[in-house]
Amino acid sequence: DVKVTQSSRYLVKRTGEKVFLECVQDMDHENMFWYRQDPGLGLRLIYFSYDVKMKEKGDIPEGYSVSREKKERFSLILESASTNQTSMYLCASSENGWVETQYFGPGTRLLVL
Amino acid sequence: QQQVKQSPQSLIVQKGGIPIINCAYENTAFDYFPWYQQFPGKGPALLIAIRPDVSEKKEGRFTISFNKSAKQFSLHIMDSQPGDSATYFCAASMSGTSGSRLTFGEGTQLTVNP
Repeated sequence: DVKVTQSSRYLVKRTGEKVFLECVQDMDHENMFWYRQDPGLGLRLIYFSYDVKMKEKGDIPEGYSVSREKKERFSLILESASTNQTSMYLCASSENGWVETQYFGPGTRLLVL
Repeated sequence: QQQVKQSPQSLIVQKGGIPIINCAYENTAFDYFPWYQQFPGKGPALLIAIRPDVSEKKEGRFTISFNKSAKQFSLHIMDSQPGDSATYFCAASMSGTSGSRLTFGEGTQLTVNP
């Protein structure tokens, strides 16, 4: 069974803090993704990575950065958290193939005060 | 710019009813259309998927109908059960590309009353 784990289920941070969200997958998948989920907006892609040290911007990268130093780990960084970054953050991974099913972690609910 | 539009945003049916969730896409290069199901407190998980060379795909009580000319596809849940209560997301992507990204719809929160 594919397992994608996220470091925290709930986080409360203050405006201006630097926030790290960690994601680890155990299936040696090449591709990893960070989404944010907001009611009525669905899942929006922030960044993704198709290889170690590679990253690509998604649809809403502003205010975020990512790091992928090891294949199994993909980190999302909020350099200076703002209240409009309060959201549910979902990590996913997939392996290369003709059709790439994405496997999601349970999510981190972040509240920025 | 939402390339995949999903409706309705929420849906309530009685047990045994047939909820229908609709999606429309814009990019004609999309050729893979999965549906993901998300239960509270969990991440989304793949439910069923279709490619545009077929007009319908059925897996158990779940059926995808696909209309390529209209650029629309829909999910039907036959004999719905309270355990089907979840949020459903349609998505679209271009297959055959490494690291291919999914474009998701807005989601539909389905409630099946007993």
